[in-house]
Amino acid sequence: NAGVMQNPRHLVRRRGQEARLRCSPMKGHSHVYWYRQLPEEGLKFMVYLQKENIIDESGMPKERFSAEFPKEGPSILRIQQVVRGDSAAYFCASSPSVGSGNNQPQHFGDGTRLSIL
Amino acid sequence: SQQGEEDPQALSIQEGENATMNCSYKTSINNLQWYRQNSGRGLVHLILIRSNEREKHSGRLRVTLDTSKKSSSLLITASRAADTASYFCATDQAGTALIFGKGTTLSVSS
Repeated sequence: NAGVMQNPRHLVRRRGQEARLRCSPMKGHSHVYWYRQLPEEGLKFMVYLQKENIIDESGMPKERFSAEFPKEGPSILRIQQVVRGDSAAYFCASSPSVGSGNNQPQHFGDGTRLSIL
Repeated sequence: SQQGEEDPQALSIQEGENATMNCSYKTSINNLQWYRQNSGRGLVHLILIRSNEREKHSGRLRVTLDTSKKSSSLLITASRAADTASYFCATDQAGTALIFGKGTTLSVSS
């Protein structure tokens, strides 16, 4: 399966710990997007990255959250000092070129469900 | 802010019936997309309709777009139990991020 791979599928952390979520885009895709989904809600955009560059982080909380997409390896969404409100499903999507502006759909992984105790 | 808003929030039908979901949005768009999400899974892209298109078909799916009313509809014909899922419309934002509505939960009973 050459789809978008996210791991772990489920992650449990205690308040104050760090959470690291990983995303490997589809083969040949160089654009990665992170979204957050709260229960009974739609997805909310967080950040858009290309290899080694953050292009748009307008949806990312200013504190405790960071994202990277290194030259080698998966994209990482990092949440420091987690709080209960960070509990959500985090989805990664990828596209071969600039997302929907070029009329390209985004391909989603199955998400990481983050639970904060 | 929420761009797309789906209506109804929930829809229950019998197998073989048609299901229609609507989506309204607020600002001008490059395109509008529909996605399906099965419980506990990621989103699956169904169909993309460009701002200069009015109607598009894919198998049992038919999507319409009315840019003057800033609305779209998704019709699933001859529904099956396997169509049970949440359906989201999404519009682009400056050609990068997608903005999603809260979705319509469709239940198809056999």
